[in-house]
Amino acid sequence: SAVISQKPSRDICQRGTSLTIQCQVDSQVTMMFWYRQQPGQSLTLIATANQGSEATYESGFVIDKFPISRPNLTFSTLTVSNMSPEDSSIYLCSVEDGTGPYFGAGTRLSVL
Amino acid sequence: SQKIEQNSEALNIQEGKTATLTCNYTNYSPAYLQWYRQDPGRGPVFLLLIRENEKEKRKERLKVTFDTTLKQSLFHITASQPADSATYLCALGRQGGKLIFGQGTELSVKP
Repeated sequence: SAVISQKPSRDICQRGTSLTIQCQVDSQVTMMFWYRQQPGQSLTLIATANQGSEATYESGFVIDKFPISRPNLTFSTLTVSNMSPEDSSIYLCSVEDGTGPYFGAGTRLSVL
Repeated sequence: SQKIEQNSEALNIQEGKTATLTCNYTNYSPAYLQWYRQDPGRGPVFLLLIRENEKEKRKERLKVTFDTTLKQSLFHITASQPADSATYLCALGRQGGKLIFGQGTELSVKP
């Protein structure tokens, strides 16, 4: 099974600033995903992080707001840019390694 | 548009009883359905996957049924324990496609 380290675990940020969230996996995986879980809501897929090419974004999410990097098969970052209070949420990294889907513990973001 | 509904009310049951959680969906034909457990401050943990051609799947004290005619899955925890208290999420998916999650049902098992 894949073990995912996600950091920071939580942060409080000022509006207009940006935060980069890191996701490190203990094995090489092809599929890496970024989700958002707003308070009291279900998980919503933001994008699929593709190694060696641009991320694939879901409807309602754009690269300028949520730029994603995937430099290799074990690491990805998600940046939340120009933050507003509406971006307050839990952001989760997820992978599929053939044995099942696995999620990181999440990053709890509060924007003031 | 696609819609997934889980029991919106929290489920409170007595230790030792069977907990039954419901996941209903509309406007979607999933190839499989997954159930996850999520504890406060943690990411979801995968529990079970059931495919569209499977009626039932079991894992230890867990049982999942999948009725593609009713568009419904039931998730059972038998001989429930206080440690089973958590939020349980269902998610639908297709091969190579994204997962669509329900909003979750909070289960509380009282000793």
